[in-house]
Parts: sequence; C-alpha cells; structure tokens
Amino acid sequence: AQSVSQHNHHVILSEAASLELGCNYSYGGTVNLFWYVQYPGQHLQLLLKYFSGDPLVKGIKGFEAEFIKSKFSFNLRKPSVQWSDTAEYFCAVKGGTGGFKTIFGAGTRLFVKA
Amino acid sequence: NAGVMQNPRHLVRRRGQEARLRCSPMKGHSHVYWYRQLPEEGLKFMVYLQKENIIDESGMPKERFSAEFPKEGPSILRIQQVVRGDSAAYFCASSPNTDGNQPQHFGDGTRLSIL
Repeated sequence: AQSVSQHNHHVILSEAASLELGCNYSYGGTVNLFWYVQYPGQHLQLLLKYFSGDPLVKGIKGFEAEFIKSKFSFNLRKPSVQWSDTAEYFCAVKGGTGGFKTIFGAGTRLFVKA
Repeated sequence: NAGVMQNPRHLVRRRGQEARLRCSPMKGHSHVYWYRQLPEEGLKFMVYLQKENIIDESGMPKERFSAEFPKEGPSILRIQQVVRGDSAAYFCASSPNTDGNQPQHFGDGTRLSIL
C-alpha cells in the first residue's frame, strides 16, 4: 500500500536554527510531491510542490525541498526559522500507483522558541 | 480567507445523533475530497466526489458514513448514529481537476465533538 512517512512528530528549535523535516514515500511510478503547512487554528496551505524538472523546489516563506528519487524522499528545509514558523507540516504525495489520491504523512509539529 | 468554505466550524453531537458537515468548493472547482484528522495523526482520505458522482469512497467507513455532492449546493458528509470515535477534525479540499500537479485547496475544517 502507498504510504508517506514523516520522521519526526515533534520538533523544537530556537529562532535562527536551521530546519530539516524528513519525508519518505512508498510509491510506484511518477509522483507529485507537496508540503503543506497548518498554522494553529487555520486550514492547510500549500508551501511548495514538485512535479517535474529541478528536484530542488523553492516555496513560500523561505522554504525549500529536495526530491531525491533514489531515496524516495522529499525533505523540507529552511536555513533559519522564525517564531512565526511554529505550525504543523504535512508531506503529501499524489500520483504513481495511488492515482488521483493525495496521501498525507502524519505531520510534524514544529515549535520555534523565540 | 480560504476559498473552500466549510460549516459549521465546530459541531457538538450526542452519541446516536446525526452529524452533517458541509463543504462548498472554490469557485470553478468541481472535485471535492473529504479527509479526517485525528489527534497526532495525519489526514486520512475518506472520499472523492465530482458533481453528482462518488468517484472513490475507499476511505469511508462501511457503515454510518455517506457523502454527496449534488448538482446544486455544497458537498455533504453525513455521519449517522455518531459514536465517540467519530470525534475528529474533518477537512474538505477541492481542485479544478485531477491533474497530478494541481494541489488541493483546503477549508478550515469542521471539528466534531461527540459527547
């Protein structure tokens, strides 16, 4: 069965620290990859997406992610986090043997200390 | 404001009652998806609908849960005879089509609490 794994459920960082959130998926075929963010009490918003081309994708708010096909990974990074980045982050995969479905990881809760 | 509108934001029901959750997709979107989010868990796919058609309901519990997306009006997720385990946040998302590179746009969710 298709699945998406996010390595850390909770991450605590100080402001200005670097961030990397892991995401691995088990899928066959061509996939489309997404990272969503959910700020407290809000809906999910798209941070960035990859569907083809340069495997290093730039998103909003200084986030980026790198698709490494050989590792089935799509890790999210940010060089210097801010307190306002405190949120829950979801990796999602669409396509491949999953067809039209978007499969979400369990999420990673990031808390940034001011 | 999210383009996808869900209501109510919060819904409280007693065990055995019915819960009806509504979702109006973004303008121009004809594809609707429902997800359930339990604490400490990710979003679990429930059902995918297009206007008047259920395309995939493989994530829906076999009993008590149903969904529709009529020609006119919002999509409805209906839970009959609710139980405590139905307490969760239910999110609706929409997209204009199923192209792989089209992300889904999410509503604010309905938080269902069962007393």
